[in-house]
Amino acid sequence: GESVGLHLPTLSVQEGDNSIINCAYSNSASDYFIWYKQESGKGPQFIIDIRSNMDKRQGQRVTVLLNKTVKHLSLQIAATQPGDSAVYFCASGALGSARQLTFGSGTQLTVLP
Amino acid sequence: GAVVSQHPSRVICKSGTSVKIECRSLDFQATTMFWYRQFPKQSLMLMATSNEGSKATYEQGVEKDKFLINHASLTLSTLTVTSAHPEDSSFYICSAASSGLAKNIQYFGAGTRLSVL
Repeated sequence: GESVGLHLPTLSVQEGDNSIINCAYSNSASDYFIWYKQESGKGPQFIIDIRSNMDKRQGQRVTVLLNKTVKHLSLQIAATQPGDSAVYFCASGALGSARQLTFGSGTQLTVLP
Repeated sequence: GAVVSQHPSRVICKSGTSVKIECRSLDFQATTMFWYRQFPKQSLMLMATSNEGSKATYEQGVEKDKFLINHASLTLSTLTVTSAHPEDSSFYICSAASSGLAKNIQYFGAGTRLSVL
């Protein structure tokens, strides 16, 4: 069945370092991907998205890379800050579909002082 | 950015009572809203997809008579947990997708923590 998985359940980084969170997806029909950030006790917050016709997209301190060949995407956070500590989910979907998204299991990012 | 308001943020109720959770898109029209359930340290589990003016589509294993969804307008969807039991205790989150250009992006509410005693 369709699934989106994350390579690492937890990730600890030193404040100021760069973070890389990875995600693998299995559905070849997925052509749209989103990264969400969820802080404890809150709903997920949109970070950045990317379509399958791109392999890289940059935002403010974040970059998403997409490798369709191996069905892998990653979220890079530059100069990680304490406020970046949260669970990060990748989600995949199909453009023009019922807009449903399939969520990965999440990676807990902890920023160490 | 798009804002989705979810209310209440926390509810504690006795077993057998019904609980209604509201989800509102504050600054955009949401033709589609989604309801998720999330257990501690787990991912989001889609319960149902709600389109304005039509019946909700429930995921396999989700009881539609237990979790009543109403999407009466382009800015409001409600989830009613009927005859709640302790096993229904969970974190419920709604999301909304706009009818605009960024229609594949789901914007989430802050979630509702339901505790059934």
